[in-house]
Amino acid sequence: EAGVAQSPRYKIIEKRQSVAFWCNPISGHATLYWYQQILGQGPKLLIQFQNNGVVDDSQLPKDRFSAERLKGVDSTLKIQPAKLEDSAVYLCASSLGVLYEQFFGPGTRLTVL
Amino acid sequence: EDQVTQSPEALRLQEGESSSLNCSYTVSGLRGLFWYRQDPGKGPEFLFTLYSAGEEKEKERLKATLTKKESFLHITAPKPEDSATYLCAVSGSARQLTFGSGTQLTVLP
Repeated sequence: EAGVAQSPRYKIIEKRQSVAFWCNPISGHATLYWYQQILGQGPKLLIQFQNNGVVDDSQLPKDRFSAERLKGVDSTLKIQPAKLEDSAVYLCASSLGVLYEQFFGPGTRLTVL
Repeated sequence: EDQVTQSPEALRLQEGESSSLNCSYTVSGLRGLFWYRQDPGKGPEFLFTLYSAGEEKEKERLKATLTKKESFLHITAPKPEDSATYLCAVSGSARQLTFGSGTQLTVLP
């Protein structure tokens, strides 16, 4: 069974530029999550989707971050404009439902210069 | 607000030297406590879910236990391939995972 796919794997941008990340979850998984993981810390939830609706985006910096999940499958996370402190690994995860174990993709390492 | 504290931050063991990792938590209405393993450059890999105090789960050299305030991940006779960062997370009434900062385990041959 294919795992969670993410692209790109690495991205380097200048501050104030924009960037987008893509995620394809495990087939059949209704719940999709985006996390931010800063070096030396655990993942922090940014946004959670149930099918194509947002369940929780309380920790998403909405002035610069946006996310959508098209047709309840793939998802994109966008940052515009990027700041230096956005340098981190962005992880996508999916699960059958809210209380089920989450399966993570390999992540996108973002460096903002 | 849910909180998770893991200790130690880093642990170096000789191959075969058993030890335990600690995860202390505060959560409103525990729905589950999760252990994950993360290798460098990869996403976290699911290990265990524990739901109630007294529950235990095992997988190869790993055994996870749960009390009302903390969880332990016991590693018996570790091998170098067990080297990784081990993450603990809780899900409470907010139904979202709150992660600790992890314990970086190094097993020396």
